[in-house]
Amino acid sequence: GAVVSQHPSRVICKSGTSVKIECRSLDFQATTMFWYRQFPKQSLMLMATSNEGSKATYEQGVEKDKFLINHASLTLSTLTVTSAHPEDSSFYICSAKSYPGLADEQFFGPGTRLTVL
Amino acid sequence: AQSVTQLGSHVSVSEGALVLLRCNYSSSVPPYLFWYVQYPNQGLQLLLKYTSAATLVKGINGFEAEFKKSETSFHLTKPSAHMSDAAEYFCAVNRVTNTGNQFYFGTGTSLTVIP
Repeated sequence: GAVVSQHPSRVICKSGTSVKIECRSLDFQATTMFWYRQFPKQSLMLMATSNEGSKATYEQGVEKDKFLINHASLTLSTLTVTSAHPEDSSFYICSAKSYPGLADEQFFGPGTRLTVL
Repeated sequence: AQSVTQLGSHVSVSEGALVLLRCNYSSSVPPYLFWYVQYPNQGLQLLLKYTSAATLVKGINGFEAEFKKSETSFHLTKPSAHMSDAAEYFCAVNRVTNTGNQFYFGTGTSLTVIP
């Protein structure tokens, strides 16, 4: 149980195009979903937190107009990287929680490798 | 503010030797602590978590961690390393924010197992 999927697993796009990444909780309803960015050999950096049906909360320094997050249902959140540039190339990971408590873990997706040419 | 510090960005052990990955937390209240493992080009998998029920927590794949309040530590151990344990390990603390709660991750420790 508690499986989170991401699609696509890797994507290559040209500079200036937009890319959408989907995050789905397959066997549970996610009260909250998180989007992280990870650079090579580094830790995860939280980009934003989203709750179903409400606007995402972005971390300081993350451009909300560039990284559009939609959490339309309890099982799906999407991250759209708009007008992507080479510096946006990274590993993007989503996670989801089924319960909101501090003792409850996040379940992570397998990640999406974005390469912008 | 709650945070975690992982000492040692790289740890190498021989196959069959003890694995010890260090994590210290800073918190004014008892924290909720987690250890995750990440294999190359994959997401994170939960190894174990501390939620104040028991100080010695057993996880998957033979890993365990002991919560020591006096040392503000939550070190991860495994008695005998296996080649398949080679991966990146992250300690995390769950902290309250104005949007609910979120994880704060340590910088990670890369474990190499030498045959």
